[in-house]
Amino acid sequence: EAQVTQNPRYLITVTGKKLTVTCSQNMNHEYMSWYRQDPGLGLRQIYYSMNVEVTDKGDVPEGYKVSRKEKRNFPLILESPSPNQTSLYFCASSSNTLQETQYFGPGTRLLVL
Amino acid sequence: GESVGLHLPTLSVQEGDNSIINCAYSNSASDYFIWYKQESGKGPQFIIDIRSNMDKRQGQRVTVLLNKTVKHLSLQIAATQPGDSAVYFCAENTGGFKTIFGAGTRLFVKA
Repeated sequence: EAQVTQNPRYLITVTGKKLTVTCSQNMNHEYMSWYRQDPGLGLRQIYYSMNVEVTDKGDVPEGYKVSRKEKRNFPLILESPSPNQTSLYFCASSSNTLQETQYFGPGTRLLVL
Repeated sequence: GESVGLHLPTLSVQEGDNSIINCAYSNSASDYFIWYKQESGKGPQFIIDIRSNMDKRQGQRVTVLLNKTVKHLSLQIAATQPGDSAVYFCAENTGGFKTIFGAGTRLFVKA
């Protein structure tokens, strides 16, 4: 089954404790992206990757890092989480055509205390 | 499931009626538009898309209308069903890798 998976689905952590949210897709997509979703703000793009070892900032990259060492995986790293990063996070992927629809993962709910 | 938007515009319709969800997009250079549906506890799911060289596109029970003059997009759902209850997002793309999402509209379908 074609899908995007994220882990963990739920995470509670404390300020400053590094964490990684994993994202994996099995569709051989070249493009992957991370979004955060906050009430009333829709989805805002954090980072995206056009291919292995090629990443770029989205609209809200501060406080986040990403890496793309393999085509299927695109982890999101919070080196020093802060309470304003409490949010619902989605990973998405699409084929390399610039205007292809994105397939979203199920989301990761993060609470930073 | 998770709440994805506590203060979203809300549309309430009777089962069987048609629904119209509106969206104003921001960038006149955007040339590709997508509607997504998000059910509680799930990620957004593609519904229908339209490119800027079109003003209407139809799918199964859904129609998207694009008015580039006023930068307006609408999603029409025919014969709305309880399973259509969700949050609906419009998204725009200017041809690059960045996609801009609207804040969303919550659709309630009354049985």
